[in-house]
Amino acid sequence: GDSVTQMEGPVTLSEEAFLTINCTYTATGYPSLFWYVQYPGEGLQLLLKATKADDKGSNKGFEATYRKETTSFHLEKGSVQVSDSAVYFCALSIYGGSQGNLIFGKGTKLSVKP
Amino acid sequence: DTGVSQNPRHKITKRGQNVTFRCDPISEHNRLYWYRQTLGQGPEFLTYFQNEAQLEKSRLLSDRFSAERPKGSFSTLEIQRTEQGDSAMYLCASSLGDGPTEKLFFGSGTQLSVL
Repeated sequence: GDSVTQMEGPVTLSEEAFLTINCTYTATGYPSLFWYVQYPGEGLQLLLKATKADDKGSNKGFEATYRKETTSFHLEKGSVQVSDSAVYFCALSIYGGSQGNLIFGKGTKLSVKP
Repeated sequence: DTGVSQNPRHKITKRGQNVTFRCDPISEHNRLYWYRQTLGQGPEFLTYFQNEAQLEKSRLLSDRFSAERPKGSFSTLEIQRTEQGDSAMYLCASSLGDGPTEKLFFGSGTQLSVL
């Protein structure tokens, strides 16, 4: 069945370090791919998305490129800040139904130290 | 835009009792979703409504679970005869739009503990 696998955390980085959180997926058809972020005490928020192969989603300095050949959607940021500390979830949706029927990975907790 | 509101924030109940959660979506959002999240896992889709119609249900949604969205506004999720395995965070999300333009807004969730 369809699934998402993301790197396990927690990930601890110093401020201004480079961030990569790996995400790979298994899906029939042509999924849309998403990264959601959950800041402490808040609800999940959409960070970025890509709806077809080779699309790059970007927001708040974060980027991820939809790679069909490697079935990956890795999240990257060139210079993290303390305020980026959160749990990050990779997710997919099989278009054709509602884009809100999402399959999530387990989440990766990021802690950024000053 | 006051965001998606969920009540209560926390619910503690004894095994076998019934519980009901409420979700108030963002005004005018026509789609509403319920997810369940257990500790250390990502959210799992349970069901969704378009206006008042329940269009999709996950096989995770056993017969003890029922969701309603009367008049296409707020929604309730009821769990009958709760079990310890029902302990989880129950998330609600709403959206407007269709296809690639759809964007979900999540509430902060209701944390259920079944003793």
